[in-house]
Amino acid sequence: QLQLQESGPGLVKPSETLSLTCTVSGGSISNSRYYWGWVRQPPGKGLEWIRSIYYSGSTFDNPSLKSRVTISVDTSKNQFSLKLNSVTAADTAVYYCARTDPAMPGEPFDSWGQGTLVTVSS
Amino acid sequence: QSVLTQPPSVSAAPGQKVTISCSGSNSNIGNNYVSWYRQLPGTAPRLLIYENNKRPSGIPDRFSGSKSGTSATLGITGLQAGDEADYYCGTWDSSLGSVFGGGTKLTVL
Repeated sequence: QLQLQESGPGLVKPSETLSLTCTVSGGSISNSRYYWGWVRQPPGKGLEWIRSIYYSGSTFDNPSLKSRVTISVDTSKNQFSLKLNSVTAADTAVYYCARTDPAMPGEPFDSWGQGTLVTVSS
Repeated sequence: QSVLTQPPSVSAAPGQKVTISCSGSNSNIGNNYVSWYRQLPGTAPRLLIYENNKRPSGIPDRFSGSKSGTSATLGITGLQAGDEADYYCGTWDSSLGSVFGGGTKLTVL
């Protein structure tokens, strides 16, 4: 059974870089059938997609975050990672990693990690 | 402000049926599949409906989805207390990428 697990610091200072990793188990991140992505949810608010990546490294971007986001895949570790730079309090959120199946725009996020809360504060 | 518009809240009694609407435009719902997610308090979203009206394995047929033009609807029949949750629609937008509705809180009276 596929499992996704987010990991990373729970507290980041303003203007610094938020870094998270999603470890995939029970399936291969190199499977060409899937996209892998990040979705966040500020406390008490709705879902916001950040970016998705294909195992080859090609990405789909949220235009509003694109300039601050880096996403990468490490197939040797079956992981993918998110970096969000120049963070502010508005970036405080629960960050989820998720899989899209099949790998086509408009297809759903069918598996989700449990989420990790990242707070931006000095 | 979400690209997709959902009612903030809906409510119904146990055993009844409820529908949740999701309104968009030709740049998103009008030309792409719609998915629906349920989020219980303190948990990750779970996929309920994909490709407008398909249910993943394990999702009971009490849950249904439909799409017409630039709007979509989630239906839940035989409401149970455990259905109290936030529900989100999602789709692809030609300019914005993957987008979600603002969410609808379902209260079972």
